[in-house]
Amino acid sequence: DGGITQSPKYLFRKEGQNVTLSCEQNLNHDAMYWYRQDPGQGLRLIYYSQIVNDFQKGDIAEGYSVSREKKESFPLTVTSAQKNPTAFYLCASSIGTASYEQYFGPGTRLTVT
Amino acid sequence: AQTVTQSQPEMSVQEAETVTLSCTYDTSESDYYLFWYKQPPSRQMILVIRQEAYKQQNATENRFSVNFQKAAKSFSLKISDSQLGDAAMYFCAYRTRYIRDNYGQNFVFGPGTRLSVLP
Repeated sequence: DGGITQSPKYLFRKEGQNVTLSCEQNLNHDAMYWYRQDPGQGLRLIYYSQIVNDFQKGDIAEGYSVSREKKESFPLTVTSAQKNPTAFYLCASSIGTASYEQYFGPGTRLTVT
Repeated sequence: AQTVTQSQPEMSVQEAETVTLSCTYDTSESDYYLFWYKQPPSRQMILVIRQEAYKQQNATENRFSVNFQKAAKSFSLKISDSQLGDAAMYFCAYRTRYIRDNYGQNFVFGPGTRLSVLP
């Protein structure tokens, strides 16, 4: 089945540690995105990538980093510089950034204590 | 910058009844897309329905339909014959049609409406 996978579903880390969230897609989509979701708020864009080896900052990129070495993979690293990292993180993909539809993964809940 | 507002944080509906979720948006553009996404307790985001701004006809997808009022910048979602499986967070989203260098504003989500379905 084609789709987007994110792992793990729940992730716990100590404050001061970097942590990497996985996102893989087998839809052959060019564009991939990372969103952050907090209670009572909509999704906010962290980073996006239109093509391999290229990515751009979204609205709330500070404290996060990404890589896009393969078309299928777009991992997100939450660094110790992110002041409030506890949140639900959603990965999405689309055929291209011109495509009007995004497909979402199941998300990762990150808790930092 | 575009903004999306959902003024109803929570709503409830009786099973088999009809409910309407509100969404308003602010934009200076004339051509764009609007979406309703559903996020059930599993938290998987699912596209419910989409509307192209240049189309006057309201989109319909089975029990889901929209009332798109372009001049009023309103995009409400109507769920008919509500089912228990419709219980979820519903997000209204706006997407510009034309890509710009500053992509950060290209896809904007509202804060969501939590819908409960009562048996």
